[in-house]
Amino acid sequence: NAGVTQTPKFRILKIGQSMTLQCTQDMNHNYMYWYRQDPGMGLKLIYYSVGAGITDKGEVPNGYNVSRSTTEDFPLRLELAAPSQTSVYFCASSFHRGGGANVLTFGAGSRLTVL
Amino acid sequence: DQQVKQNSPSLSVQEGRISILNCDYTNSMFDYFLWYKKYPAEGPTFLISISSIKDKNEDGRFTVFLNKSAKHLSLHIVPSQPGDSAVYFCAATLISGGYQKVTFGTGTKLQVIP
Repeated sequence: NAGVTQTPKFRILKIGQSMTLQCTQDMNHNYMYWYRQDPGMGLKLIYYSVGAGITDKGEVPNGYNVSRSTTEDFPLRLELAAPSQTSVYFCASSFHRGGGANVLTFGAGSRLTVL
Repeated sequence: DQQVKQNSPSLSVQEGRISILNCDYTNSMFDYFLWYKKYPAEGPTFLISISSIKDKNEDGRFTVFLNKSAKHLSLHIVPSQPGDSAVYFCAATLISGGYQKVTFGTGTKLQVIP
C-alpha cells in the first residue's frame, strides 16, 4: 500500500518557468490537499478537493492551479514560477464523511527552489 | 491571523523524562484537535487526536490534554525516547462551508537527549 506518492522530490526552476507537481493516492480517499511549508512556518493550505471534479482555494492559492479528474490524482500546477514559491510542498489525502477527526495522510514532500 | 499557535519553536528533554508540547488556539468552534509528528525529509504523520468534548485522550506514551476555557492543549510524552526527536505540529479542525477545514500550528522541534 503506497499511500500518498508525490513526484518529483526535488526540483529547481528558473523564474517564469512552469511545472506540475504530481500527487496520487491509492487509499480511495475523497479529500485531497496541497500544502506548502516555509521555514519556521506552519503548513499553509494552497488548494483542496472534496472529490473528483471538485476543487477549491485554500489560504494561499495565488500562482497555483489544480485539477481533480480522478479520485486518485491531484496535480498542482505552477504557471509562472516566482522566488516566493520556493518551498516544500506536501500533498495529503483523507477519508471523511462527517463525524470524527479528519486525519490526513501526507506524502513525503517535494522541495522546490525557484532561482 | 494565526488561529493555532505553538509558541515554543524548540524543546530539549532528557531521555526518560516527560516532554510537554503546548498549543494555543483562538477559535472556540474548533471541533477536533490533532497532533502530527514530522521527521526530516518525510511528510507529517498522525499521532493522536482529541474531540472538543473531551479533556484527555491517551495512547500509549502519548497523552493529549485539552483545556477549553484556556483554549489550550498539550501533548505529553512519557517517557521520552530519542526516536521521539522530531517536529510536532498541532492542528485543529472545524466545519466550514460543508468541509472540515484543517489549520496547523507552526510546529515545535523536540530533541530528546540520550
